[in-house]
Amino acid sequence: EAGVAQSPRYKIIEKRQSVAFWCNPISGHATLYWYQQILGQGPKLLIQFQNNGVVDDSQLPKDRFSAERLKGVDSTLKIQPAKLEDSAVYLCASLGDSTYEQYFGPGTRLTVT
Amino acid sequence: LAKTTQPISMDSYEGQEVNITCSHNNIATNDYITWYQQFPSQGPRFIIQGYKTKVTNEVASLFIPADRKSSTLSLPRVSLSDTAVYYCLVTFNNAGNMLTFGGGTRLMVKP
Repeated sequence: EAGVAQSPRYKIIEKRQSVAFWCNPISGHATLYWYQQILGQGPKLLIQFQNNGVVDDSQLPKDRFSAERLKGVDSTLKIQPAKLEDSAVYLCASLGDSTYEQYFGPGTRLTVT
Repeated sequence: LAKTTQPISMDSYEGQEVNITCSHNNIATNDYITWYQQFPSQGPRFIIQGYKTKVTNEVASLFIPADRKSSTLSLPRVSLSDTAVYYCLVTFNNAGNMLTFGGGTRLMVKP
């Protein structure tokens, strides 16, 4: 089966600009996650969706980050405006209904200058 | 969820067995122990999950003592391609959600 797709793979922007990342989960997976992984650290959960509803966004910096999953399939994570400390890899993962394995995409590496 | 503690890094040589121990002193009754592997420039990949005693799959074995306050991931006969970061996580029930990653263990396999 096809894995989790993410685009773009790399993005370089200046601080105060905006950026958006796209994720297409594995077909049929109802749960979708966005993680932020800063260099040298483990991934940190930003937001979790169940179909098109938000389950947990307690660690999402809502003053600048937003995410949506309008049709319960693919999802977009946006940062506006970006700060230097947002430089990280943004990982998307999905989970099927009858499994406990999260499947991760390759991530988008964001560099804010 | 219980906090996990694991070594920051480990070195090994090709063909050796590698054991990575993780401490989770505050593990709760409904918690499972799950391990993920992450190669550079890739997302984490599920390796193995267990509740107690021993679990084995085609990739690794997971040993969990009776008190469940620690666990050991065992990788048999490692190769250079096993060089990666290994994360030990405690997950509620056996659900795949609520993953809290620590810093992981950086395994370097040398020729």
